[in-house]
Amino acid sequence: AQTVTQSQPEMSVQEAETVTLSCTYDTSESDYYLFWYKQPPSRQMILVIRQEAYKQQNATENRFSVNFQKAAKSFSLKISDSQLGDAAMYFCAYRSWFTTRYNAGNMLTFGGGTRLMVKP
Amino acid sequence: DADVTQTPRNRITKTGKRIMLECSQTKGHDRMYWYRQDPGLGLQLIYYSFDVKDINKGEISDGYSVSRQAQAKFSLSLESAIPNQTALYFCATSDSGRPNEQFFGPGTRLTVL
Repeated sequence: AQTVTQSQPEMSVQEAETVTLSCTYDTSESDYYLFWYKQPPSRQMILVIRQEAYKQQNATENRFSVNFQKAAKSFSLKISDSQLGDAAMYFCAYRSWFTTRYNAGNMLTFGGGTRLMVKP
Repeated sequence: DADVTQTPRNRITKTGKRIMLECSQTKGHDRMYWYRQDPGLGLQLIYYSFDVKDINKGEISDGYSVSRQAQAKFSLSLESAIPNQTALYFCATSDSGRPNEQFFGPGTRLTVL
């Protein structure tokens, strides 16, 4: 079974600065997807960025980018020019592919989360 | 309007009571999921349904049951609630044509006294 580990329970960053959140995972699969989700105080789970394992290029979405190290099974999230609205819980997630009797599909395995605080 | 809705948003109940959490979606997705989130932990999968006739247990299904009444509706039941089921519950959906993203509802905070 896949496991996802986020070793930083809490992080803080000064507004306008850059912060990196760490995530490591364990898998025997060669093709998979990784995600970062943001959960603000509203509780809504919001997809921030995704990475396909077969793509060597790191994904980027505006101020958010990842450093995907497939051999090291590491998937960190970098937030540039941090804003007050970035304050939230951030979850790393791994997509597993599996089959049931009738269908095939995906399941997400989540890390324990990192609480990011942004100081004005 | 939200694409994935959950009712109720908050619920307080007593030990032994039967509780149903409901999820509806207007995204037209065939796949639906129920997750549980405990403080300091990520989400854990309770049940998932790939279509109306295909329902499967997830990592932590003990004490829970589900019903897929229609493609758009997926309900989670606690037959006899206990305090350690106090948690935040999320419903999610995905499309079999685009299986690599799940869309989450706003969550239901359940407290069992």
